[in-house]
Amino acid sequence: QVQLQESGPGLVKPSQTLSLTCTVSGGSISSGSHYWSWIRQPAGKGLEWIGRIYTSGSANYNPSLKSRVTISGDTSKNQFSLKLSSVTAADTAVYYCARDFRAADNNWFDSWGQGTLVTVSS
Amino acid sequence: DIQMTQSPSSLSASVGDRVTITCRAGQSISSYLNWYQQKPGKAPKLLIYAASNLQRGVPSRFSGRGSGADFTLTISSLQPEDFATYYCQQNYNTPITFGQGTRLEIK
Repeated sequence: QVQLQESGPGLVKPSQTLSLTCTVSGGSISSGSHYWSWIRQPAGKGLEWIGRIYTSGSANYNPSLKSRVTISGDTSKNQFSLKLSSVTAADTAVYYCARDFRAADNNWFDSWGQGTLVTVSS
Repeated sequence: DIQMTQSPSSLSASVGDRVTITCRAGQSISSYLNWYQQKPGKAPKLLIYAASNLQRGVPSRFSGRGSGADFTLTISSLQPEDFATYYCQQNYNTPITFGQGTRLEIK
């Protein structure tokens, strides 16, 4: 069973870049036909999809964040990463990585990391 | 973006009750609809995929129905561990969007 684990700084200063890594075990990010996504959730609020990377390395982003987001993969380490630039307090949230399982022209988030809280504050 | 609207936003029910949560999409999304359960401090957990398919390991008291723009999640007989927040999610197109959540509380 695939497992995901987020890692990275829990505190980022305003205007700086948030960087998180998701380490995948029990499966390879370069095999199969799945996407690998980042999703965030501000305290007490709902879920917001940030973007995803495909096994080919191509990426899709939420237009609301597209100008500030980069998602990339490192197949040698079986990891994928999120960079969010020019952060503000509004980017404070729990950040999740998840596998976007693809089957029969459909997909769903079947495996999630435990989440990591990132606070933007000086 | 496709807006997903859940109703109700919160719901009080008792153990053993049958409850239904509704999710409406801003346009037809065929069966590209998934349901998740989230407990406090935990990651969401997939319950139902492609509108009506039960994820492996999820109890059969959970069921999903619908296609097009209107969907439902039903819990046939509430158990104590079912009190949580439930989210629908569309993957018809990007950006992937979620409903605002339905908080299911103990009466």
